[in-house]
Amino acid sequence: SQTIHQWPATLVQPVGSPLSLECTVEGTSNPNLYWYRQAAGRGLQLLFYSVGIGQISSEVPQNLSASRPQDRQFILSSKKLLLSDSGFYLCALLPSSGNTIYFGEGSWLTVV
Amino acid sequence: QKEVEQDPGPLSVPEGAIVSLNCTYSNSAFQYFMWYRQYSRKGPELLMYTYSSGNKEDGRFTAQVDKSSKYISLFIRDSQPSDSATYLCAMPASGGSYIPTFGRGTSLIVHP
Repeated sequence: SQTIHQWPATLVQPVGSPLSLECTVEGTSNPNLYWYRQAAGRGLQLLFYSVGIGQISSEVPQNLSASRPQDRQFILSSKKLLLSDSGFYLCALLPSSGNTIYFGEGSWLTVV
Repeated sequence: QKEVEQDPGPLSVPEGAIVSLNCTYSNSAFQYFMWYRQYSRKGPELLMYTYSSGNKEDGRFTAQVDKSSKYISLFIRDSQPSDSATYLCAMPASGGSYIPTFGRGTSLIVHP
């Protein structure tokens, strides 16, 4: 079965500092990968998705970026964090041969 | 009109009540429907999925799809305080899109 590892689980970063959140998956090959952000009491906001290595699509303009250097690795980055970047970041996958989406445990980011 | 509408709640019920959680959708191409449960500060976990119309039962949970009305429901029998969470409905990407569709989620509180 598929598993998703996200780290770090929690981090507090100052405004203007860089960010790197990592997501790795196991138990599947060539999945679609997604980064979502969930603000408190809000729904899931799709940030990026990837259908393959090096293929990234952005859903919203922002100071975040994503990369997929390997089939099972998805990275969310920022060069300079804003207060508005605070939130709960979720990595998700859709198996190449399935319909069910699986989520990681998430990373809580607080920008101070 | 959003593709998926879901009342955010909160829905507060006493322990032992039957809970009905609902979503309406607008895209008739959706063929596969998922329900997720999300505890506070955790990633969403898949609860149930179902194809087409009709009912699917899993323990105290029943998923129901009415494709003619574009309406899906999740029923929880004998609700427990441990069922307190946010429940999200979802449909996978379809029609050439790589983007799954999620409801905003309904917050459920089961009080003893």
